[in-house]
Amino acid sequence: EPEVTQTPSHQVTQMGQEVILRCVPISNHLYFYWYRQILGQKVEFLVSFYNNEISEKSEIFDDQFSVERPDGSNFTLKIRSTKLEDSAMYFCASSASTGSNEKLFFGSGTQLSVL
Amino acid sequence: AQSVTQPDIHITVSEGASLELRCNYSYGATPYLFWYVQSPGQGLQLLLKYFSGDTLVQGIKGFEAEFKRSQSSFNLRKPSVHWSDAAEYFCAVRDAGNMLTFGGGTRLMVKP
Repeated sequence: EPEVTQTPSHQVTQMGQEVILRCVPISNHLYFYWYRQILGQKVEFLVSFYNNEISEKSEIFDDQFSVERPDGSNFTLKIRSTKLEDSAMYFCASSASTGSNEKLFFGSGTQLSVL
Repeated sequence: AQSVTQPDIHITVSEGASLELRCNYSYGATPYLFWYVQSPGQGLQLLLKYFSGDTLVQGIKGFEAEFKRSQSSFNLRKPSVHWSDAAEYFCAVRDAGNMLTFGGGTRLMVKP
């Protein structure tokens, strides 16, 4: 089965530093997503991306966050100035469509630890 | 706003026993409902989904789920659990866009 790949699997950073989390979605997919899961809490939607622009975002996705598809294969999440509360597992996902046939494929996640 | 509740944080069953994981949702329209499984170190894998039609849906790995509108439930079932089913299970509802709202998850442990 095709896979969504996320790198790195673990990222440790100092508070206030910028981090970029990287994702390689499945090659023929057009819709891209970021979710996160703070330890002990629910998986939360951050943002969806289609046609080189954000299609939907949650309240969590404030000005400190940005997403980009810099080339034909990567999809990145940038946090400009990390805070302690940004520590979480970040999941990237992609899908070929959004209709009734939609199947979301998730990566294995990047564990971000902000010290 | 939509929400999903999984009342059981942990469940332990014996291998070979039947399993039912509960999920209740709150959503104004006809929901799109999903069950995902997460094994340690893995991403979220889709087990099954309900969009419309038959309220009993079959998924991978021998799982099934039944949509009950009157109870706002979408419980996951498996007749005979295998040790490899030990994982965390998430129920989710999707809105008219693409946003999935997840429940808090149920961690399944399987006793030999």
